[in-house]
Formats: sequence, C-alpha cells, structure tokens
Amino acid sequence: DIQMTQSPSTLSASVGDRVAVTCRASQDISRWLAWYQQKPGKAPKLLIYDASILQSGVPSRFSGSGSGTEFTLTINSLQPDDFATYYCQQYNSYPYTFGQGTKLEIK
Amino acid sequence: QVHLVESGGGLVKPGGSLRLSCGASGIAFGDKYMGWIRQAPGKGLEWVSFIDGTQTIIYYTDSVKGRFTISRDNAKNSLFLQMSNLRIEDTAIYYCARAPRGFGDSWGLGTLVTVSS
Repeated sequence: DIQMTQSPSTLSASVGDRVAVTCRASQDISRWLAWYQQKPGKAPKLLIYDASILQSGVPSRFSGSGSGTEFTLTINSLQPDDFATYYCQQYNSYPYTFGQGTKLEIK
Repeated sequence: QVHLVESGGGLVKPGGSLRLSCGASGIAFGDKYMGWIRQAPGKGLEWVSFIDGTQTIIYYTDSVKGRFTISRDNAKNSLFLQMSNLRIEDTAIYYCARAPRGFGDSWGLGTLVTVSS
C-alpha cells in the first residue's frame, strides 16, 4: 500500500497568513493526488485534484503543487473560514489512501 | 447541484448486519463511479469500496472483503452497501461520494454506524 504522510499534523496561523501543508507519498504517484478540507461535523470537501487543479467554486487563494512523491497545499491570505482539517489522498493505485490530516488552528 | 443523502446507519451488535443506502440527485448517476468512505470517531478517512457505472469494476479495502457488498440501482439513482459480520472496528461515519477518477468530488452528509454490544 502507498503510505501518505502529511506534515505538520497541526499548524497554528493567523488570519492573513500564508501557510503550506506537505504530503509525501511512499512511492511515485505522478500527479494523482487530491486535497480535501473538512470542518467539524461536516463531510470533506474537495479542493484540488490532479495535484494542482482547483475544483470549481474553490477560492483561488488555495493552490496545489508537486508531482512524484512530494506535494504541497498552499493557502494564501488565510480567512476565518479556512480553519479546518486538511487531508491529501492518492488515487494512483489501489488501495487509494489518505494522509492522516493536518489541523489548521487559529493562533 | 449534486445532492447525496445516506441512510441506514444505526447501532448494531458485533456480528450483525446493516444495509446503507445513498440517494443521488442532480447528477447523471448511471455513468459515474460511486463509493463509500468511512471515518472512525476522531480519526482519518478510509476508502471502503467503490463501483463503476456498469458494476463491472468493484473495489473493497482488505478489511471489509468478504463482509461488505457494494451495489447500485441506476434506475433509482441509488447506491448501497450491504454490511455483514460487523466488527467493533467498523464503527464510523460512512460517507457516500461520487468518485469520477478515484477522488470524491461530491459527498453526502454521512450516516453513523455504531457496532457495540
């Protein structure tokens, strides 16, 4: 199975900050990576797929980059609504696997 | 606007069975991969199963193989997950998702399955 490791596990930031979350795959997954946002008590929401393509309706302050084994989700100018948990997921090969999550907290 | 609604969750004893359902609206359901993803309390996400539009391609995570069966009724825009021989570790919120290429681009609100004696 492909292991997905996110860092950091927790990130403290302020409104207006620029933050980055990293996701590393245990083997090459090309660009087959998605990012999700989840708020407490809610279903995950797709933000980015194919490593860098923004899902329709997602604000442009979110961006994704990377290929192979290392990927980054960047959020520019954090808004209050962005404080949530973020997950990466590879869909290169079965079983599709998620990272353990990164909780973005208000500093 | 895609709308997915799960139902069928509840409390069941170990070894018991449940059937989850997911109703879909706002999408051309029949030609889309659909799947189930679960989240144990306070934990991360796990793909449980998915199925293509013709029920030809079906995937199960190892821990549910032989116990869970995914199916769909395209005429009724519905997805199902028959769960049997349930274990305590199957306790989770189960989400239905549209998964066109292996990622969930639309999700339901989820249904809670609790396995406990």
